[in-house]
Amino acid sequence: AQRVTQPEKLLSVFKGAPVELKCNYSYSGSPELFWYVQYSRQRLQLLLRHISRESIKGFTADLNKGETSFHLKKPFAQEEDSAMYYCALSGGYSTLTFGKGTMLLVSP
Amino acid sequence: GAVVSQHPSWVICKSGTSVKIECRSLDFQATTMFWYRQFPKQSLMLMATSNEGSKATYEQGVEKDKFLINHASLTLSTLTVTSAHPEDSSFYICSARDLTSGVASGTQYFGPGTRLTVL
Repeated sequence: AQRVTQPEKLLSVFKGAPVELKCNYSYSGSPELFWYVQYSRQRLQLLLRHISRESIKGFTADLNKGETSFHLKKPFAQEEDSAMYYCALSGGYSTLTFGKGTMLLVSP
Repeated sequence: GAVVSQHPSWVICKSGTSVKIECRSLDFQATTMFWYRQFPKQSLMLMATSNEGSKATYEQGVEKDKFLINHASLTLSTLTVTSAHPEDSSFYICSARDLTSGVASGTQYFGPGTRLTVL
């Protein structure tokens, strides 16, 4: 069975502080990992995927197979980063398993 | 690109009636669409996977006779909540996978969701 764990329900930081949203997964094969973001009153949208190895809006995430983690990081948080962040795993049949989500609040 | 729409955005109905929700991929073709349910302050729970031209695959615990899914074309999937009851009140979200993204790709594009309230 595949499982995604986001241990923090809420992460509150000040503007300019570094941010790390944790994500751990459980899957026996080679997973595809994603971070999705949901801003207030907006739809869920793809932030980044591990295959692309890209940086979007200053966020990066590295897949660590040894630690089965895919933590999301940003060196300097901005107020507009405040949103709900979901880590998700795809196990090969294109279905996504979501974590419970972490609410990021960035204060001025 | 990769826009998914849902209609209606919200609906209120009486207990016992049926409600149809449409999910459309506007600028791409989607052989596979997904239906999720989201309760307040909770994560998305996959209900079913909808494949164009074939029967939907339902997740464990989801009643297929209750939640009828039809995927008649590469751009449209519908979810019908039959004989709705107050406990069916929820936020229903669809997503679609781009046909060109490759068989193994898990990238999904999400609709804005439909708020269903059953009185």
